[in-house]
Amino acid sequence: EAVLTQSPATLSLSPGERATLSCRASQSVSSYLAWYQHIPGQAPRLLIFDASKRATGIPARFSGSGSGTDFTLTISSLEPEDFAVYYCQQLATWTFGQGTKLEIK
Amino acid sequence: QVQLQESGPGLVKPSETLSLTCTVSGGSVSSGGYYWTWIRQPPGKGLEYIGYTYYSGSTHYNPSLKSRVTISEDTSKNQFSLKLTAVTAADTAVYYCGRGGSSTWGAIDYWGQGTLVTVSS
Repeated sequence: EAVLTQSPATLSLSPGERATLSCRASQSVSSYLAWYQHIPGQAPRLLIFDASKRATGIPARFSGSGSGTDFTLTISSLEPEDFAVYYCQQLATWTFGQGTKLEIK
Repeated sequence: QVQLQESGPGLVKPSETLSLTCTVSGGSVSSGGYYWTWIRQPPGKGLEYIGYTYYSGSTHYNPSLKSRVTISEDTSKNQFSLKLTAVTAADTAVYYCGRGGSSTWGAIDYWGQGTLVTVSS
């Protein structure tokens, strides 16, 4: 079973900056990977599935890339509402990474 | 628009069974190709996959919880449910139900708002 490791644990950036979040799998998950945004007190929101496909209604500033064991979520220019916790999930055995907290610098 | 809503007791005693129900509106649990899923988040921790039931009646569970978990559907009520036996304080969490979409390779595209379940005597 693939274990997902996200880095960094915390990322401190300012609005307008570019965010790059990493998710590494202990064994290949092909492109069966999703990314979610979770704001405390709200339900998580699906951002990306199949490693690079944006979910319905997700702004173009969110993009996903990678395959096999190394994946990246990029937010091209941070908006105030983007500061949240981000999780990757592999869709073979459904496990999540431990999350990256994106906080305002 | 698909909506999901969790319901059930907010407090469960240690060693007892946690039972939650997810009511689906705007869609049908008997529709083909969807993964009706339970996820939880313990306080201060990340998301943890619990398991799903698929429209054909098949299920898949997190191996770490498999011996204690049952997920089932009630198509007459358009609901699916979670039962977790022999709970301990470590099972205290916000529990979410969700739908893994056929068009999203199983990724959860619709979520309930979550319900906090506390395990305490």
